[in-house]
Amino acid sequence: AQRVTQPEKLLSVFKGAPVELKCNYSYSGSPELFWYVQYSRQRLQLLLRHISRESIKGFTADLNKGETSFHLKKPFAQEEDSAMYYCALSTSGTYKYIFGTGTRLKVLA
Amino acid sequence: NAGVTQTPKFQVLKTGQSMTLQCAQDMNHEYMSWYRQDPGMGLRLIHYSVGAGITDQGEVPNGYNVSRSTTEDFPLRLLSAAPSQTSVYFCASSSRRRPGEAFFGQGTRLTVV
Repeated sequence: AQRVTQPEKLLSVFKGAPVELKCNYSYSGSPELFWYVQYSRQRLQLLLRHISRESIKGFTADLNKGETSFHLKKPFAQEEDSAMYYCALSTSGTYKYIFGTGTRLKVLA
Repeated sequence: NAGVTQTPKFQVLKTGQSMTLQCAQDMNHEYMSWYRQDPGMGLRLIHYSVGAGITDQGEVPNGYNVSRSTTEDFPLRLLSAAPSQTSVYFCASSSRRRPGEAFFGQGTRLTVV
C-alpha cells in the first residue's frame, strides 16, 4: 500500500540553525514526491516537487529511492519558515495525492 | 485572481442535517478533489474528478457525494452529518498539463454537534 510517513509532529529549531524535515514513503512504482506548506491563516501551497530539483525559499529536497525518502532541508532556518509542512506522494500518471500527517516547524528567535 | 474558492469558511451542523460545501475554480483546471484534514492524520482524499461528468471515490468517501456538472464547480454534499465528519475540508484543483501542482482552497471548518 502507498504510504507517506512524517515521523515528527513538531520540530523546533533556533533561527540560523539547519533544518531537516523527514519524509519516507512506500510505493512500488515510480512516485512523484512533493512538499506542501501551510503558513498560519493561509492556504496550503506547493513548496517543492522532486522532478524540478529546485531550491525554493532556501529549501531543497532530494529523492532517495534507495532509502525511499524525500527529506526537506534548509541550511539556515528563518522565523518566517514557521509553518506546517506536508510531504505528499502522487503515483505515476495520476493526480491523486497521498499526504503525510505533517510536521509543524517552529523557528525560535 | 481568485484561484480556488470554498464556501462557507465555517459551518456548524446538527447530527443528521445535510449540507453542501461549495468549491469553484477559475483556472480551467481539469482535475478537482476534496480532502479532509484531521489532527494527526494529515489530508485524506474523499472524492476526485478528472473532468466534467466524471467523478470517483478516494480514500474516505463514505457519507459524502460529489458531482461535476461544470469544469469550474465541484460541490461536496454531506448526506446526513455525523460527529465523525467534524473536520477541515479542502478543495484542490490542478491542470492536466501540470498535475503535480495542486492549488488549494482556504478550507471549510465544519463542526457536527
